[in-house]
Amino acid sequence: QSELTQPPSVSGAPGQRVTISCTGSNSNIGAGYDVHWYQQLPGTAPRLLIFGNINRPSGVPDRFSGSKSGTSASLAITGLQAEDEADYYCQSYDSSLRGVIFGGGTKLTVL
Amino acid sequence: QLQLQESGSGLVKPSQTLSLTCAVSGGSLSSGAYSWNWIRQPPGKGLEWIGYVYHSGGTYYNPSLKSRVTTSVDRSNNQFSLKLTSATAADTAVYYCARGALLSVTGTTYNTFDIWGQGTMVTVSS
Repeated sequence: QSELTQPPSVSGAPGQRVTISCTGSNSNIGAGYDVHWYQQLPGTAPRLLIFGNINRPSGVPDRFSGSKSGTSASLAITGLQAEDEADYYCQSYDSSLRGVIFGGGTKLTVL
Repeated sequence: QLQLQESGSGLVKPSQTLSLTCAVSGGSLSSGAYSWNWIRQPPGKGLEWIGYVYHSGGTYYNPSLKSRVTTSVDRSNNQFSLKLTSATAADTAVYYCARGALLSVTGTTYNTFDIWGQGTMVTVSS
């Protein structure tokens, strides 16, 4: 059971917009700790997608965006492409657990 | 471009010690204020952070694994290592090494995992 809750799966057609939520609590996201997002393509290692809630590393398309409010964060993907089909993980820090935490992951299917 | 590569035993017997090494290439493990992390992923499941080591030797571990984990750094060979004692089937996973970096944007710094190794599968079984 992850301290950060993500939907197990989301789907969308090419060109559409999807969002993935990451719900935490007052000991992690709600306490002001930053949220980062990772993309894991099938059979590969995770790749940093969004850091510090809203920032994209160089090379990440601006179709990907992040937001944070209260005890939750979200990843939005616009103009969905087949190559976006992957697992997505949110990550933060938890003061009660005293360590880095990940969400359970969300599998994105491009229909 | 800095790269990380995990290596170690792919099969460990229950109750024995799991040992892995992460080789750093394309840069020095000793440069910059980076942490060198271990993260694992059981088959079909999510990610779990294990702990980190700094080039100075300082460490910090996931409290849930702390009693069994040791990380260390070998500056002469530009690599860092993980040891996990008393292995059980629950430790079967892909193990990743990852760099923890401080990324700055408009004066604000964020601590995140910016470079990952490709991962190595470790199975705990007799």
